[in-house]
Amino acid sequence: DAKTTQPNSMESNEEEPVHLPCNHSTISGTDYIHWYRQLPSQGPEYVIHGLTSNVNNRMASLAIAEDRKSSTLILHRATLRDAAVYYCILRDGGTSGTYKYIFGTGTRLKVLA
Amino acid sequence: NAGVMQNPRHLVRRRGQEARLRCSPMKGHSHVYWYRQLPEEGLKFMVYLQKENIIDESGMPKERFSAEFPKEGPSILRIQQVVRGDSAAYFCASSTGHGNTIYFGEGSWLTVV
Repeated sequence: DAKTTQPNSMESNEEEPVHLPCNHSTISGTDYIHWYRQLPSQGPEYVIHGLTSNVNNRMASLAIAEDRKSSTLILHRATLRDAAVYYCILRDGGTSGTYKYIFGTGTRLKVLA
Repeated sequence: NAGVMQNPRHLVRRRGQEARLRCSPMKGHSHVYWYRQLPEEGLKFMVYLQKENIIDESGMPKERFSAEFPKEGPSILRIQQVVRGDSAAYFCASSTGHGNTIYFGEGSWLTVV
């Protein structure tokens, strides 16, 4: 299973941009990069995903390195409601073909008022 | 998270009893995943099912745990003879097919006393 590495925790001030990094040096050519976030006592929430090109949606932007060995989730203006654990996941669709999502320990984002 | 329904949200069982957790996928979704999250830990993949088929059960404990997704009705995760170590949050996710984005429910919290 392809692995991801994220910082354990980060802090940000409210209304400032946040850049959450993720390293995935063993990514294969067919692996999509997914981001989910989990608020306390809730299920993970889909944020964004991409393959090679940068992606934008109403929640965030995803910047993918040219060699695809790393990516960055960008929250353009952090709010207190963005405080959560953010998971960077490589969808396993390669060798096993079962497409299961392997979660790491994620980054706990703290937003300061 | 909208659409994936899990029940019960909270379940208390005595050691040795059985726990049944139910998951109704989003409308139009025929693929279901089950994950377990121990306190202060990340999500661990358990099983991936399609209607009437188990696609990948590599994360399921060999004993006491079983899962099904019948042609009609919700997916069921069944834990027999529960032990204290089974106390966790169990999350279900669904998708429209192989490799497509998965969406999570709010989870079922099992407490074994």
